[in-house]
Amino acid sequence: GAGVSQSPSNKVTEKGKDVELRCDPISGHTALYWYRQSLGQGLEFLIYFQGNSAPDKSGLPSDRFSAERTGGSVSTLTIQRTQQEDSAVYLCASSPSQGAGNGYTFGSGTRLTVV
Amino acid sequence: GDSVTQMEGPVTLSEEAFLTINCTYTATGYPSLFWYVQYPGEGLQLLLKATKADDKGSNKGFEATYRKETTSFHLEKGSVQVSDSAVYFCALTRGGGTSYGKLTFGQGTILTVHP
Repeated sequence: GAGVSQSPSNKVTEKGKDVELRCDPISGHTALYWYRQSLGQGLEFLIYFQGNSAPDKSGLPSDRFSAERTGGSVSTLTIQRTQQEDSAVYLCASSPSQGAGNGYTFGSGTRLTVV
Repeated sequence: GDSVTQMEGPVTLSEEAFLTINCTYTATGYPSLFWYVQYPGEGLQLLLKATKADDKGSNKGFEATYRKETTSFHLEKGSVQVSDSAVYFCALTRGGGTSYGKLTFGQGTILTVHP
């Protein structure tokens, strides 16, 4: 597509429930990233996929968080047993190749609210 | 590890005023440096970038120069407009190693421009 598409745009869930957030990157972009934007805390790196390489999961805050990328395209970020501190905007970005020399293209994000 | 520090906001200016948003970084090697902008209700957009020392990135009247000696990448604009009101993020990516491609962001600076 023309841009990075994320769904849903908003998600309200009850504490303890699992949620799945979807990211559809720009066609042909081999690198895909997930970030979290919490109020007053800037952007926090979560996970990075590059082609068929093993993902860099170093930013995932706990084992309740996981992500996969199927067929080198669409990615799903799953949060199990959600907690109130998981409330944030989850941003996905893609870039044409390894390295951010050309900058990323970000999606509009999924605003997650855990009540 | 890598880090980016931005001047704390919010910054409030009158239209046509001069803008400076300070950004300093800590990173090994030779990072690439970026400014991203997030307009109200929109996703992050790349504003400008510089990939090596003494490079100047520019776009939409904004400029930033990569200063390796002071590890800085301050954002400037000579005459701001109301439409420049947004959140500005300084970021870096390293050129190699396991962090290749991962952007490290500052905490963001809110800019509000009044008519």
